[in-house]
Amino acid sequence: GAVVSQHPSWVICKSGTSVKIECRSLDFQATTMFWYRQFPKQSLMLMATSNEGSKATYEQGVEKDKFLINHASLTLSTLTVTSAHPEDSSFYICSAPTGDYINEKLFFGSGTQLSVL
Amino acid sequence: KQEVTQIPAALSVPEGENLVLNCSFTDSAIYNLQWFRQDPGKGLTSLLLIQSSQREQTSGRLNASLDKSSGRSTLYIAASQPGDSATYLCAVYNTDKLIFGTGTRLQVFP
Repeated sequence: GAVVSQHPSWVICKSGTSVKIECRSLDFQATTMFWYRQFPKQSLMLMATSNEGSKATYEQGVEKDKFLINHASLTLSTLTVTSAHPEDSSFYICSAPTGDYINEKLFFGSGTQLSVL
Repeated sequence: KQEVTQIPAALSVPEGENLVLNCSFTDSAIYNLQWFRQDPGKGLTSLLLIQSSQREQTSGRLNASLDKSSGRSTLYIAASQPGDSATYLCAVYNTDKLIFGTGTRLQVFP
């Protein structure tokens, strides 16, 4: 099956710093990627849809200036958590459809556990 | 707004039992429904995808059914094993988003 690689797997940072998370589609091109956030024992919440070559679409309540998304190529999307605070600590996970995502499975990265001290 | 609910929230059973996990959604205008497995601290593994025109899909010991009109899907796990222990998530695709359910945490003990 298709492979989506996410890096880093975990990161610990000080409050006020910025953290970048990368999501790569290894064996296919992804014009769209999705970014989710998951708090402990909760389900995945869609944060934004990343679109190659254009601005990301953010879900209601997600601060676009805090969660910067860049989708500069067909195989790479990045999420930057700017000026991170402890409440941003969460599990972040990306996913990408391989094409006709209506009919095909969605593949996910392995996730990034962010801990802000 | 699409809302996806799963029951039970948690389930603990001895191995060998046949299991039923339930998923319900409020907006029946979906393109497909998918079931995922998530191990602690890990990403998601896609288990089954049911297109909106389909009624069920099977893979090994897993069988998922879909009743779009009533907004329900069921995941059957036959002859459960300790290795099946994980969180199971259903997700529905409508418009251009995949919306996840609340999840069922399953523990199968020897």
